[in-house]
Amino acid sequence: GQNIDQPTEMTATEGAIVQINCTYQTSGFNGLFWYQQHAGEAPTFLSYNVLDGLEEKGRFSSFLSRSKGYSYLLLKELQMKDSASYLCAVTRWGYKLSFGAGTTVTVRA
Amino acid sequence: GAGVSQSPRYKVAKRGQDVALRCDPISGHVSLFWYQQALGQGPEFLTYFQNEAQLDKSGLPSDRFFAERPEGSVSTLKIQRTQQEDSAVYLCASSPKREETQYFGPGTRLLVL
Repeated sequence: GQNIDQPTEMTATEGAIVQINCTYQTSGFNGLFWYQQHAGEAPTFLSYNVLDGLEEKGRFSSFLSRSKGYSYLLLKELQMKDSASYLCAVTRWGYKLSFGAGTTVTVRA
Repeated sequence: GAGVSQSPRYKVAKRGQDVALRCDPISGHVSLFWYQQALGQGPEFLTYFQNEAQLDKSGLPSDRFFAERPEGSVSTLKIQRTQQEDSAVYLCASSPKREETQYFGPGTRLLVL
């Protein structure tokens, strides 16, 4: 089986930085995805980490430590449109995504 | 270019009815996936196709759930004799190849009364 944990909710102020942690225990691990999902919409791809380390993409960065079963998504210079659910997902056996329950981020003015 | 599309976007069914949910993947994508997302939860894997072959159906909750992709493009998820616990959003995703990023459609929100 698999166990993927992330906080349920986080709140931050516009312009600030928020870090969403994700821990996992799973078999057949290949890599870790982060998706953003606005209410009632499709999950959209943010990042994919296969190797240990930090991947930076504009305002978003993602980190992976395979030995610790740990990842985080860093959102910088928060904007109101960043209010959404952020889903951590591990990919197993090359194709099967196993998701956490998601972290709802609320950005306040 | 066009993304993954799904229809209908919303479906209300009476308990015991059969429903069919359609997915049109991104053109040329070999791999297609179905997920079920309950309210407030992350998506749960249902099944995986590579072209027309269903290679993994381990996530289908019961034998009332059936998926097909006969020509390796459009896929249909069918639920027979719907139950209230089937109420969820059904998401379809496709990827160019098996190990590449999955791109999701907007989902079909199914409500069984």
